[in-house]
Amino acid sequence: GAVVSQHPSWVICKSGTSVKIECRSLDFQATTMFWYRQFPKQSLMLMATSNEGSKATYEQGVEKDKFLINHASLTLSTLTVTSAHPEDSSFYICSAPPVLAGGNEQFFGPGTRLTVL
Amino acid sequence: AQKITQTQPGMFVQEKEAVTLDCTYDTSDPSYGLFWYKQPSSGEMIFLIYQGSYDQQNATEGRYSLNFQKARKSANLVISASQLGDSAMYFCAVGPSGSARQLTFGSGTQLTVLP
Repeated sequence: GAVVSQHPSWVICKSGTSVKIECRSLDFQATTMFWYRQFPKQSLMLMATSNEGSKATYEQGVEKDKFLINHASLTLSTLTVTSAHPEDSSFYICSAPPVLAGGNEQFFGPGTRLTVL
Repeated sequence: AQKITQTQPGMFVQEKEAVTLDCTYDTSDPSYGLFWYKQPSSGEMIFLIYQGSYDQQNATEGRYSLNFQKARKSANLVISASQLGDSAMYFCAVGPSGSARQLTFGSGTQLTVLP
């Protein structure tokens, strides 16, 4: 089946630094990808929709200048957490829509665990 | 707007028995899809089952079945013959129909299978 990868799987950084997370569709093209955030023992919350060739769409309350999204190609979307702070520590996970028209499974990457010291 | 409610923060089930995880939803979309995902401690989201709002029959996938009651806006997951490996967090989600779906997730149910 279709596979979505994320890199890195985990990252620890100092407060004030920026961190880039990559989301790749390995064997299919994705014009749209979704970025979610999950705090410990909580649910996944949609942060933004990444669109190839156009600007990302951010959910209410998500700072677009802090969470920069670039959909560089049909197989790659990146999320950059700028000037990270401890409250940005979370599990970030991306997803891509079904590969085939009419397909139902939404594919998720394995996630990236970010810890900001 | 969409909302998913999972009222069971935690559930216990004996190995080999069946268990039902509750999910109710609210959506303004006329056509929508309901999803169940399993999230083990590793964090990966494992797709289990899907139900379309216009599907006449309840979805089944191996040991998983979805008890879909549209009028009650209910989409409960039934796991039959529970296994120790089923212990995980389970999320119900709703999304619009179509090829590009952003999902709204419930708060999840932590299932523990007892030997």
